[in-house]
Amino acid sequence: QKEVEQNSGPLSVPEGAIASLNCTYSDRVSQSFFWYRQYSGKSPELIMSIYSNGDKEDGRFTAQLNKASQYVSLLIRDSQPSDSATYLCAVNPGANNLFFGTGTRLTVIP
Amino acid sequence: KAGVTQTPRYLIKTRGQQVTLSCSPISGHRSVSWYQQTPGQGLQFLFEYFSETQRNKGNFPGRFSGRQFSNSRSEMNVSTLELGDSALYLCASSNGGADQTQYFGPGTRLLVL
Repeated sequence: QKEVEQNSGPLSVPEGAIASLNCTYSDRVSQSFFWYRQYSGKSPELIMSIYSNGDKEDGRFTAQLNKASQYVSLLIRDSQPSDSATYLCAVNPGANNLFFGTGTRLTVIP
Repeated sequence: KAGVTQTPRYLIKTRGQQVTLSCSPISGHRSVSWYQQTPGQGLQFLFEYFSETQRNKGNFPGRFSGRQFSNSRSEMNVSTLELGDSALYLCASSNGGADQTQYFGPGTRLLVL
C-alpha cells in the first residue's frame, strides 16, 4: 500500500507570513512529486513538481525534497488571502499514476 | 493551448443506472488518467490510458471501466451505480513520457440518488 501523509490541518497563518506544508511518503521507489492547490468546488491545479533532492523555487513557492527521509515540503512565502485553499501532495511511483495525501487546508488571515 | 475538458460537468443518476463520462486531454498529450474524489477517501486513482491501452489500474471494482480513442479522448463508464459512487470524477492529462506532470480537468460531479 503506497501511502502519502500530510501534516494535519487546518493551518492558519497571517497575511505576509510563511506557510509550511509537509508530506511524507512510504514508497522508496517514488520518482516524482507534485504539489497541487485545490480551491473549494474546483479541480486540483498544479503548483510545483520536483524530481531531485534539494530545493526548487518558483516565485513565492519553494518545494523541498529529501528522498532519504521520504519527505517533501512546500513553503509559501508572503502568504496572501488568495492562497487560502487545500494543498495536495502527490507522489508518482513511476507508473504514471498519482497517490495523493488527504490534503492540508490553509487559511491566510488578512 | 486549451486545457483538459470534461463533459458533462454535473450529473444526477439513480441507483442501478449506468453513466458515461468524457474527457478530452490537452492537445498532444497521449495519457489520460481518471481519479475519484470523495470527502471520505480523498483523491483515488482509477485507471490510466495511453495510446488506447489501459496501462495502469487502481483498486476499484469492475463496474468502473474506461477506454481511449485514437484521438486520445477518453471515456469512463460506471455500471450499476451505487450511492457511494457519488463523487467528483477528475481526469488528468499528461504526455505519458518522462515528464509525468498531470494536468486536471474541471471534473464531473456525479450524484447518485
